[in-house]
Amino acid sequence: SAVISQKPSRDICQRGTSLTIQCQVDSQVTMMFWYRQQPGQSLTLIATANQGSEATYESGFVIDKFPISRPNLTFSTLTVSNMSPEDSSIYLCSVLTHNRATNYGYTFGSGTRLTVV
Amino acid sequence: SQQGEEDPQALSIQEGENATMNCSYKTSINNLQWYRQNSGRGLVHLILIRSNEREKHSGRLRVTLDTSKKSSSLLITASRAADTASYFCATDEGQAGTALIFGKGTTLSVSS
Repeated sequence: SAVISQKPSRDICQRGTSLTIQCQVDSQVTMMFWYRQQPGQSLTLIATANQGSEATYESGFVIDKFPISRPNLTFSTLTVSNMSPEDSSIYLCSVLTHNRATNYGYTFGSGTRLTVV
Repeated sequence: SQQGEEDPQALSIQEGENATMNCSYKTSINNLQWYRQNSGRGLVHLILIRSNEREKHSGRLRVTLDTSKKSSSLLITASRAADTASYFCATDEGQAGTALIFGKGTTLSVSS
């Protein structure tokens, strides 16, 4: 399965600023996903990012707030813009890979713990 | 969107006891997966059960799936303190190769 390097692992940011989170994959993958996990909650899908096309955002998430780049098949970034304390969450990227057992599977980054003060 | 509802939300047991967590989902699925998350960190894939399977085992884990009830259960036998974590079910909402949609999760605490 793929290995994902997600950076930064954590950050404390001032409100009104922006933070860009990076995910680097050790192999080429078609589909990448970004999730948000608010404190004590489950994972909520923010968007799906395919290389060469605009990201597809889920209800409640907009490109102006969470712009995503996907310049190639191994890399993606998620920016959290104009942050407020409500954006304090763990952000995770995930990729769709293929394996023999299931024909496809998912790998997750280790997450970015963001605190906005 | 959130697919499943986990039950219970929190579970506290003693080492050696069995832990059972339940998950319900809303749409058709190709498969259902269970993940573990320690202390809000990255997710660890535990087990996958296909929609045409009813039960699956992996070590101390046993997963059942009832597609007629749109529900699944995860049983951890002979729990250990190291099993303390949050457990989530996730499905693909019937579309292979799309994003996983997660349930709300069960927080398991195993005390020694």
